[in-house]
Amino acid sequence: AQSVSQHNHHVILSEAASLELGCNYSYGGTVNLFWYVQYPGQHLQLLLKYFSGDPLVKGIKGFEAEFIKSKFSFNLRKPSVQWSDTAEYFCAVTTFFGNEKLTFGTGTRLTIIP
Amino acid sequence: ETGVTQSPTHLIKTRGQQVTLRCSSQSGHNTVSWYQQALGQGPQFIFQYYREEENGRGNFPPRFSGLQFPNYSSELNVNALELDDSALYLCASSSSGREETQYFGPGTRLLVL
Repeated sequence: AQSVSQHNHHVILSEAASLELGCNYSYGGTVNLFWYVQYPGQHLQLLLKYFSGDPLVKGIKGFEAEFIKSKFSFNLRKPSVQWSDTAEYFCAVTTFFGNEKLTFGTGTRLTIIP
Repeated sequence: ETGVTQSPTHLIKTRGQQVTLRCSSQSGHNTVSWYQQALGQGPQFIFQYYREEENGRGNFPPRFSGLQFPNYSSELNVNALELDDSALYLCASSSSGREETQYFGPGTRLLVL
């Protein structure tokens, strides 16, 4: 069964700092990878997704993630964070056949200090 | 906004009671998945329904059951509520296919006393 690890439980950054949130998964086969974000008081929203092709994917609000197959990683990055990026970030994976269960990591709480 | 709606938004029950949560999927979606998100945790998969049939189940006991209706809306039923069932219950809808994305509703927050 697949699993997802998010190494950073709580990250605190100042505005304009660069962001990288780690995500590693364990599964021997082909995977689909996702980053979801949960802003305070709002529902879970898709930030970006990777199915195949270019391992560097760009999402909404200036976020990007890179799939490194050899490292089983899918880290989320943003060059310059804003106060409005304060939220909980979840990495998730499904297996090749898709549309199956999403397996989530435990999440990273990101706090941006103005 | 994803077009996925859930009701009710909040619910308080006592141990041993039963609860029914509802989800309306996004237009054009035929698959609904349910997740439980305990405080401070990532969502955990409960089960998925595709065209009114259960299409996969996570590690939850049989007292968690569900239904999907011909219009693809869905219900989650939990019998004999326990304190640990207190959580945010999320519904996600999607189309079928390999490269499909699940879109989440706002959730129902259940408190069991």
